[in-house]
Amino acid sequence: DAGVIQSPRHEVTEMGQEVTLRCKPISGHDYLFWYRQTMMRGLELLIYFNNNVPIDDSGMPEDRFSAKMPNASFSTLKIQPSEPRDSAVYFCASSTTGGRTEAFFGQGTRLTVV
Amino acid sequence: QKEVEQDPGPLSVPEGAIVSLNCTYSNSAFQYFMWYRQYSRKGPELLMYTYSSGNKEDGRFTAQVDKSSKYISLFIRDSQPSDSATYLCAMTPHSGTYKYIFGTGTRLKVLA
Repeated sequence: DAGVIQSPRHEVTEMGQEVTLRCKPISGHDYLFWYRQTMMRGLELLIYFNNNVPIDDSGMPEDRFSAKMPNASFSTLKIQPSEPRDSAVYFCASSTTGGRTEAFFGQGTRLTVV
Repeated sequence: QKEVEQDPGPLSVPEGAIVSLNCTYSNSAFQYFMWYRQYSRKGPELLMYTYSSGNKEDGRFTAQVDKSSKYISLFIRDSQPSDSATYLCAMTPHSGTYKYIFGTGTRLKVLA
């Protein structure tokens, strides 16, 4: 298995633009997580899905952020409009047990908003 | 005050040394504790997973939980240059919730 695949690996965008991050979880995994990592705040859970249904989105910072999972093999995290403070590394992870034992992380998308 | 505190380092040690990495936390409800390793420009990968208090050993790695002191540790014996990475602790109150609270990570360098 290729593992969790995220795209793009790097994204540089101007403030105010829409940004879409993409994730393909490991086949057969029924949980999908979106995290954001910064030096100051560390790794923060934004939202997670179970069987394509959003379970907890309380970590989503504000209405500018939205996430979807239209099917078991694809999820998106969208920021509209983007702001410089959104600059971070965004990780997608998937698991079969809800992350209680192990969540497999993707390589991350490094987002820079200028 | 953050729920989970972790010294960011960097921590530099010679090859073969015993490394001690630590996290403190404030929420006494935390029951599940994990250590992740993250290489530069990669995603975190799970190293150790423990429930409640006590020790757990896996090869050169030992995870220790002291709930009375709200303190967890990861020990690495016979450290190798390949252990150079950032180590993140994570914890959660109970199973059924997947809102693991992560520390900010400690950057470790093992010098050959």
